[in-house]
Amino acid sequence: DAEITQSPRHKITETGRQVTLACHQTWNHNNMFWYRQDLGHGLRLIHYSYGVQDTNKGEVSDGYSVSRSNTEDLPLTLESAASSQTSVYFCASRRTMNTEAFFGQGTRLTVV
Amino acid sequence: DAKTTQPTSMDCAEGRAANLPCNHSTISGNEYVYWYRQIHSQGPQYIIHGLKNNETNEMASLIITEDRKSSTLILPHATLRDTAVYYCIVRPENTGNQFYFGTGTSLTVIP
Repeated sequence: DAEITQSPRHKITETGRQVTLACHQTWNHNNMFWYRQDLGHGLRLIHYSYGVQDTNKGEVSDGYSVSRSNTEDLPLTLESAASSQTSVYFCASRRTMNTEAFFGQGTRLTVV
Repeated sequence: DAKTTQPTSMDCAEGRAANLPCNHSTISGNEYVYWYRQIHSQGPQYIIHGLKNNETNEMASLIITEDRKSSTLILPHATLRDTAVYYCIVRPENTGNQFYFGTGTSLTVIP
């Protein structure tokens, strides 16, 4: 079955380190998204992509970057991890803008 | 996006129908109503969406009022596995990048 997977599921890193969270989907969806979820804020959009070589900033993009070198993957990089980036991160994909989005299981990141 | 208002929490007896309301009084004509749920420690899961007409799928039914200012998600026979946070989201067609999930309704299905 097609799916969307995130890795790692849990990560602890130190302040100032570069961290990359992986997201891989096998639906061949063009549209992919990264969200973070914090108590009291729901899910907030970090970056999104409409296809290969396309990336766009979302609501809370500062300190994050993404790249889209193929359809299946949208890795999220924290350039210099900060304690404020401790959160649960979700990746999602959808076939078109009018269809449902499928979410990964999430990555819990702790920056110490 | 149109703002949505949902109750913070609800309980439902196992086997009974769970009716989750959502107010979206500022919804505009081209905005769809989406419902997602998030079971503890998992990613959000799509349930159903609609524009004007009532919709039904294998998971739930969506009832949208005629003036479209509110809707109700119905889980016809709630099970313990339906315990989750349910989010009502209003999104315009073709602008579906940013879902604002808000805080949703925490549904607890009681044995």
